[in-house]
Amino acid sequence: ELKVEQNPLFLSMQEGKNYTIYCNYSTTSDRLYWYRQDPGKSLESLFVLLSNGAVKQEGRLMASLDTKARLSTLHITAAVHDLSATYFCAVTPRWEGAQKLVFGQGTRLTINP
Amino acid sequence: EAGVAQSPRYKIIEKRQSVAFWCNPISGHATLYWYQQILGQGPKLLIQFQNNGVVDDSQLPKDRFSAERLKGVDSTLKIQPAKLEDSAVYLCASRQTGGAHNEQFFGPGTRLTVL
Repeated sequence: ELKVEQNPLFLSMQEGKNYTIYCNYSTTSDRLYWYRQDPGKSLESLFVLLSNGAVKQEGRLMASLDTKARLSTLHITAAVHDLSATYFCAVTPRWEGAQKLVFGQGTRLTINP
Repeated sequence: EAGVAQSPRYKIIEKRQSVAFWCNPISGHATLYWYQQILGQGPKLLIQFQNNGVVDDSQLPKDRFSAERLKGVDSTLKIQPAKLEDSAVYLCASRQTGGAHNEQFFGPGTRLTVL
């Protein structure tokens, strides 16, 4: 059974600081996704990482994937309050083809002024 | 392009009652998913449809949950009878076959509270 673990689960940081969220998964995967969820809202797609060494950047967020280590990171640079949200990584198990998503527990990020 | 639509947005029922949720996927998306998201957790897949056929319902509690997608477009998810532990947000997602990165697009969700 594919398991996806994120850490930390809770993160409180100050504006202007840098931090990294980690996502480990237990079996081989084809794709890794990062989503953002604001309170009471649905999931917003941030990044799709397709291959080993893939790196994607959007604004102050950068995601990377190491398939050999089964690890993805979401790095936040010079955090601003608007980035406060819960961030989820999700993985597609390779044997499922490209159809099923298994989510991590989420990392609740709070950025304080 | 219109997104995934869900209704109702909120529902409060008592345990042992029945409830149904509706989802309309993005036009042309053949694959439809229902997820359950319990407070503080990541979404968990309940059932996946390809057109009007079930692809994966291995995590659907079939003694109380049922879902259908009769015409391969809209879908309904039903709970009968509801239990306290069914309190969660129920998310519907859809995906275009062969779409870029096989990305799933999520609806706003239905928040269910079982008292």
